[in-house]
Amino acid sequence: QQQVKQSPQSLIVQKGGIPIINCAYENTAFDYFPWYQQFPGKGPALLIAIRPDVSEKKEGRFTISFNKSAKQFSLHIMDSQPGDSATYFCAANFGNEKLTFGTGTRLTIIP
Amino acid sequence: KAGVTQTPRYLIKTRGQQVTLSCSPISGHRSVSWYQQTPGQGLQFLFEYFSETQRNKGNFPGRFSGRQFSNSRSEMNVSTLELGDSALYLCASSLVVGPGSETQYFGPGTRLLVL
Repeated sequence: QQQVKQSPQSLIVQKGGIPIINCAYENTAFDYFPWYQQFPGKGPALLIAIRPDVSEKKEGRFTISFNKSAKQFSLHIMDSQPGDSATYFCAANFGNEKLTFGTGTRLTIIP
Repeated sequence: KAGVTQTPRYLIKTRGQQVTLSCSPISGHRSVSWYQQTPGQGLQFLFEYFSETQRNKGNFPGRFSGRQFSNSRSEMNVSTLELGDSALYLCASSLVVGPGSETQYFGPGTRLLVL
């Protein structure tokens, strides 16, 4: 069964800190790993995505670290701000298969 | 480019009724996927349509159905509504230019409440 396990379920970080959200997958065929950010009342919005040919990708304050041998990937948010408070979902798929989502992490950045 | 649009945004129905939700993908996108989001189950895949054909299907009962039109717009139908169908229904579109994985862009969702 294709699964993506995400942790932690919730996270509280002080402004300026670096929240880290982790995901682990089982299916070695996965070749696309996006992260989505969702605010209350909105649909998920693509934040950043990585493919397994690189170990790290950075876009602004957001970084994905990818460990192919461990089948894990994580999201780091540098210099976190209260506006980053949202629910974050990792996901994975391959080819034309459906995206499999993690269970989500509710992130709260306190001033 | 306009994003993915979904109508209606909010809907209240009673048990036993049926409902139809609509999704207009980003212009040029040929794939439309539907997801159900609930606090307890997270984001669960319903089905995906590509070129008017259902290409992938999740583990939902036959009460949930969909279709895609020639202009890539998609509709999702739920018949004989149950209380547990109350959820945020999300539509996502992607371009699809080849066999590889592509980014999905989500709409704002339709919030369905079944009483």
